[in-house]
Amino acid sequence: NAGVTQTPKFRVLKTGQSMTLLCAQDMNHEYMYWYRQDPGMGLRLIHYSVGEGTTAKGEVPDGYNVSRLKKQNFLLGLESAAPSQTSVYFCASRGANYGYTFGSGTRLTVV
Amino acid sequence: KNEVEQSPQNLTAQEGEFITINCSYSVGISALHWLQQHPGGGIVSLFMLSSGKKKHGRLIATINIQEKHSSLHITASHPRDSAVYICAVFNTGTASKLTFGTGTRLQVTL
Repeated sequence: NAGVTQTPKFRVLKTGQSMTLLCAQDMNHEYMYWYRQDPGMGLRLIHYSVGEGTTAKGEVPDGYNVSRLKKQNFLLGLESAAPSQTSVYFCASRGANYGYTFGSGTRLTVV
Repeated sequence: KNEVEQSPQNLTAQEGEFITINCSYSVGISALHWLQQHPGGGIVSLFMLSSGKKKHGRLIATINIQEKHSSLHITASHPRDSAVYICAVFNTGTASKLTFGTGTRLQVTL
């Protein structure tokens, strides 16, 4: 089925460890986004991309890096995880007609 | 003041009731989404609107561009409708990004 796939779905990291979250979409969408969702905070934009090879900072970019080497993939990296990065991470993509599709989320715990 | 305001913040209804959630925004928009998130679950776009009205099953969404207002209606509500509903807009000034409302938490009881 067409959509947005996030991997992994769950992960526990120790403080200081690194990891990469993968977002893949098969809808040929130009725009892709990474959000974090924390209790009582709503969705906050971390980074986004308006096309292959481009990235831009969102509201809360510190501690994260991203790459969009291929149009269908948007990677979110944590170089040195901190407990404050414990959150649920959602990827999304947007089509030309403003249609918006979210991935199923990644629940990350940093201990 | 937030660019996107929703009301009410919390709503409890009995099964079968007609429910309305409101969204007001203060910016020019290209499109508006109504999103649904079940507890511990993913986020789904129920509707995308740029004008008029859309209906899907028991759900109806309307938008008044002149009034900068949108409503989401649920007819014959059911416990499975219990979720957080989020209004989100594509601001014409920053059309690449969504601006989110704070969400409405709906609980439908038997």
